[in-house]
Amino acid sequence: QKEVEQNSGPLSVPEGAIASLNCTYSDRGSQSFFWYRQYSGKSPELIMSIYSNGDKEDGRFTAQLNKASQYVSLLIRDSQPSDSATYLCAVVDTGRRALTFGSGTRLQVQP
Amino acid sequence: GAVVSQHPSRVICKSGTSVKIECRSLDFQATTMFWYRQFPKQSLMLMATSNEGSKATYEQGVEKDKFLINHASLTLSTLTVTSAHPEDSSFYICSARLEGAFFGQGTRLTVV
Repeated sequence: QKEVEQNSGPLSVPEGAIASLNCTYSDRGSQSFFWYRQYSGKSPELIMSIYSNGDKEDGRFTAQLNKASQYVSLLIRDSQPSDSATYLCAVVDTGRRALTFGSGTRLQVQP
Repeated sequence: GAVVSQHPSRVICKSGTSVKIECRSLDFQATTMFWYRQFPKQSLMLMATSNEGSKATYEQGVEKDKFLINHASLTLSTLTVTSAHPEDSSFYICSARLEGAFFGQGTRLTVV
C-alpha cells in the first residue's frame, strides 16, 4: 500500500510567522508532488507542484523536495489568518495516474 | 487556468434512489478523469479512474455496480450513485490532470 503521511495537527502559528508543513511518502518511484489547500466544505486548491530535488518558490510559498529521504515540505512565509486551512500533500502514484493524498495538516494562523 | 466544473454542488436524496453527478473539463480535453470521495475530517480517497471511451477502473472495495461511471466524451464524466444509502453520504470530488490535478467544486451528497 503506497502511503503519504502527514501530521494531522493542528499546527498553530502567530500571524506573520513561518508555517512549516511536512510530508513523507513511501513510493520511491514517485516523480510528481503537489501541495493543496482545502478550506472546510470546499474542494482542494492547487498551491504548488514540485518535481525536482531542492526548493521551489512562488510568492509566500516554498516547496522543498528531497527524493532520497522521500520527504516533501511546504513553507508559508508571513502567515495570514486567511491561510488557516487544511493542507494536503499529494503524490502521483507511479502505478496509475491518480494522486494519492496524505490525511492533511490543519493550520491555524492566530491573529 | 484549467477549469473543472462539477454539478450539482449539493444534493439531498431519499434512501434507495439514484443520484447523478457530472464533471466537465471546460477548457481542455480530458481522456482520464478521477473520482474521489471524502468523509468528514478524512482525506480524499480515490474511488475510480474514468477513461474516455472505455470502462472505468475501480479501486479495491468500491462497488462498480453501485457507483456507475460513464465517460462518453473528452469533456464529460458522470458518476451515478445507485440505490443510495445513508452511508453513501459524503463529499464527492472529480478531477482531471493537467500539470497537477484540477478539481471540481465537489458535490455534497446527503442520503436521508
